[in-house]
Amino acid sequence: DAKTTQPPSMDCAEGRAANLPCNHSTISGNEYVYWYRQIHSQGPQYIIHGLKNNETNEMASLIITEDRKSSTLILPHATLRDTAVYYCTLGNEKLTFGTGTRLTIIP
Amino acid sequence: DGGITQSPKYLFRKEGQNVTLSCEQNLNHDAMYWYRQDPGQGLRLIYYSQIVNDFQKGDIAEGYSVSREKKESFPLTVTSAQKNPTAFYLCASSSMGLVSEQYFGPGTRLTVT
Repeated sequence: DAKTTQPPSMDCAEGRAANLPCNHSTISGNEYVYWYRQIHSQGPQYIIHGLKNNETNEMASLIITEDRKSSTLILPHATLRDTAVYYCTLGNEKLTFGTGTRLTIIP
Repeated sequence: DGGITQSPKYLFRKEGQNVTLSCEQNLNHDAMYWYRQDPGQGLRLIYYSQIVNDFQKGDIAEGYSVSREKKESFPLTVTSAQKNPTAFYLCASSSMGLVSEQYFGPGTRLTVT
């Protein structure tokens, strides 16, 4: 059972904001939303996580809807190095990774 | 320089042989994890451990075994019982138990022929 649903691929122009959506309609009350990204053949890299409130760090912003059934990861000024597969995961006791969104930044 | 190391980066074995993948961390993390990734797929959890001498099965534990004798080390053995062992194996660790970001190693690509 897929716990998160993400579009398989997205393109974004370099310098623009990349908005990556994730649906998690069956999220339980104590599960956090985590975002990771994986550049080809490397280990995934943590980006950000949140429970209810919106979060921002030096890499990205995370917007979680009030009902917590979906979220959006925002990369404010995408660069070519942001080309990667982005995973939205739910975490409590363990993380469950789906197939992610392949984000391609276009020069 | 703190981090997670996995060795070797590439590993080749003949069918029917057990093989052990190494994972070491010097981040003083309590929890460690093993994932498997197949081409074009996401990560699937094999085993995880929250404390020394204790570990739990993940979603695809059959054909694998682990040990956690030291906090820093969490080796994974791929046994001959694993039907499709060829995959990319990733080790991760985290602090504060489980609600914390996971740090991943560079991975080991295992090919069994």
